[in-house]
Amino acid sequence: DIQVTQSPSSLSASVGDRVTISCRASHNISTFLNWYQQKPGKAPDLLIYAASSLQSGVPSRFSGSGSGTDFTLTISRLQREDIATYSCHQTYSNPPTFGGGTTVEIK
Amino acid sequence: QLQVQEVGPGLVKPSETLSLICNVSGGSISSNGQYWDWIRQPPGKGLEYIGTLYHDGSSYYSPSLWSRLTISADTSKNQMTLKLGSVTAADTAVYYCARRLATPLGAGALDIWGQGTTVSVSS
Repeated sequence: DIQVTQSPSSLSASVGDRVTISCRASHNISTFLNWYQQKPGKAPDLLIYAASSLQSGVPSRFSGSGSGTDFTLTISRLQREDIATYSCHQTYSNPPTFGGGTTVEIK
Repeated sequence: QLQVQEVGPGLVKPSETLSLICNVSGGSISSNGQYWDWIRQPPGKGLEYIGTLYHDGSSYYSPSLWSRLTISADTSKNQMTLKLGSVTAADTAVYYCARRLATPLGAGALDIWGQGTTVSVSS
């Protein structure tokens, strides 16, 4: 199985800050990497697919980058409504695997 | 607009079989360009892949669950079903079904999720 390791596991930032979350794959996964946002008690929502494509309806302050083994999710200016857990997801090879999640809090 | 909704028993006894249904509305479960995944999330933990139903009716299962798992489709009802046998407390989780993009540019992303159904395994 391809392992995906997210860091940090949690972070605290101020409104307006730039926030970056990393995801590292154990093997080259090209750009088969997706990012989800999950708020407490809710299902995940797709933010970014194919490493850098913004899902329809997602605010432009969210962006994704990377290829191969190293990927980044960036929130350019953190808003209060961005409080959530963010997870990466590789679909390069079966079984698909998820990162452990990064919980974002407001400082 | 395509929507999915999971239906489950809520509580299952240890060693019994868990059965879940994913109802799909607003589109066909067997359309090309999409697959259907089951994902679960144990309390306080991350997302865990369970298995995939492909549009030709075949399926792929997580290696850690394959011996206990069956995923199938009832196209007449536009439903996907999950059966997980010999459950233990470790199977306690929120279970989600989700549409998986099967197009080359979609990268297998899960773009439509159900609200999830909570399953507790307890006697």
